[in-house]
Amino acid sequence: DAKTTQPTSMDCAEGRAANLPCNHSTISGNEYVYWYRQIHSQGPQYIIHGLKNNETNEMASLIITEDRKSSTLILPHATLRDTAVYYCIVRAANYGGSQGNLIFGKGTKLSVKP
Amino acid sequence: KAGVTQTPRYLIKTRGQQVTLSCSPISGHRSVSWYQQTPGQGLQFLFEYFSETQRNKGNFPGRFSGRQFSNSRSEMNVSTLELGDSALYLCASSPPTGTGELFFGEGSRLTVL
Repeated sequence: DAKTTQPTSMDCAEGRAANLPCNHSTISGNEYVYWYRQIHSQGPQYIIHGLKNNETNEMASLIITEDRKSSTLILPHATLRDTAVYYCIVRAANYGGSQGNLIFGKGTKLSVKP
Repeated sequence: KAGVTQTPRYLIKTRGQQVTLSCSPISGHRSVSWYQQTPGQGLQFLFEYFSETQRNKGNFPGRFSGRQFSNSRSEMNVSTLELGDSALYLCASSPPTGTGELFFGEGSRLTVL
């Protein structure tokens, strides 16, 4: 089972910031938080990941609480093309020698509206 | 840099047939993983290969198999197809940095009639 809890769906107005929450209260010390998104009928797209510090890249920012039990993905200026299902995943970067085994939950369906 | 390439993108098979799907990872990536996505079960991990060796396997029957070649390209095979095998099959590769991010291809959509 997925070790994260996300809202089923969210709406966001175009041009506004989209803040997607994720709860991961059982996260272990060596586990990272990863975010992916999947636009309809396409392969998932890696967005960002972090361990305990806040991270920012050209796509998004990731804010992790100090106790690491929750995080928020921020899309600073959402566009219609950001409409997608967003998945929050926690796991160790090198999980028993394996990198490829991700457990995807149901994610959050973000709808960006004009 | 070219992304992960999967072929074919779409295919239709009938029950009992077998199918082979191909995946070319991003250049320099040696780890390749496969996932099945269905409306009911979501994204599920099938298996992972690294340096031509299966490193991890999900909970799927033995009809699902895979392999990886010396150039890191990978194939997966499904034998004796069932209607429930209709799905989007996704391949992902991981960079050698060991930081755990996956880069997915567009998938191969299999329909079993």
